[in-house]
Amino acid sequence: GESVGLHLPTLSVQEGDNSIINCAYSNSASDYFIWYKQESGKGPQFIIDIRSNMDKRQGQRVTVLLNKTVKHLSLQIAATQPGDSAVYFCAETYTDKLIFGTGTRLQVFP
Amino acid sequence: DVKVTQSSRYLVKRTGEKVFLECVQDMDHENMFWYRQDPGLGLRLIYFSYDVKMKEKGDIPEGYSVSREKKERFSLILESASTNQTSMYLCASSLVETGGYYGYTFGSGTRLTVV
Repeated sequence: GESVGLHLPTLSVQEGDNSIINCAYSNSASDYFIWYKQESGKGPQFIIDIRSNMDKRQGQRVTVLLNKTVKHLSLQIAATQPGDSAVYFCAETYTDKLIFGTGTRLQVFP
Repeated sequence: DVKVTQSSRYLVKRTGEKVFLECVQDMDHENMFWYRQDPGLGLRLIYFSYDVKMKEKGDIPEGYSVSREKKERFSLILESASTNQTSMYLCASSLVETGGYYGYTFGSGTRLTVV
C-alpha cells in the first residue's frame, strides 16, 4: 500500500460521530485557506476553502473555521462515515503558491 | 470531468538514469505544478509554470528540471536519478482567477522508486 502518511498524527473516530481536524498555518498575509482530502492511492482532492476575511464556511457535512488571531484552521466533519477515512491536508495561499501542512490521518471505525 | 493525468502510477528506475515524469491537463489551465510527497513532510513544491515555456523554481528544485512546451503538458525531469528521489510525485494545475485564488486539481500521483 501507499506509504504516504506513515508518520502522520492520527485521529480515530467512531462512525456517526463528528470529527474535528486542526491545522496551524504560518503566514498572517495568506489570502485563502483550503482543505484537501487524500485517499490511499489518489491525489489530493479539494474539499472546501475559506477566504481570509471570513471566519466560517459550511459545505455538505463539512465546516471550516478560521481563527486569524491564533493562525488556526479547523475542519469539522459531521456524522463521520467510513468513506471519510483519508489523510487531510490544510493549505494556505501565499505569493501565488499553495503551502501545505503535513496532514492528519482520519480513521473511522464502526 | 476535469482531469490531470500522470502517465505512470508506478516507476522503478536505476541510480543515474534520466527519468521523465509526464503530466497532462485538459482544463486549459495556465498554471501547472510539480510536488513531491514524503511521509511526515507533506507536499513540497519542486517547480511550477505559469505559462508555456516558462518555469519557476519551487522550494526543492535541486536535481530536477522541467519542460513546458505546450500549455497542457508539464514534464518533470530527473537528470540523474538518485535513491533520495524515491518518492510520490504529484502534478497539479490551476486557473488564475480574479482575486488571486488558485484552486488546484491534482493528478493521482506517480510513485517513483530509484534503486
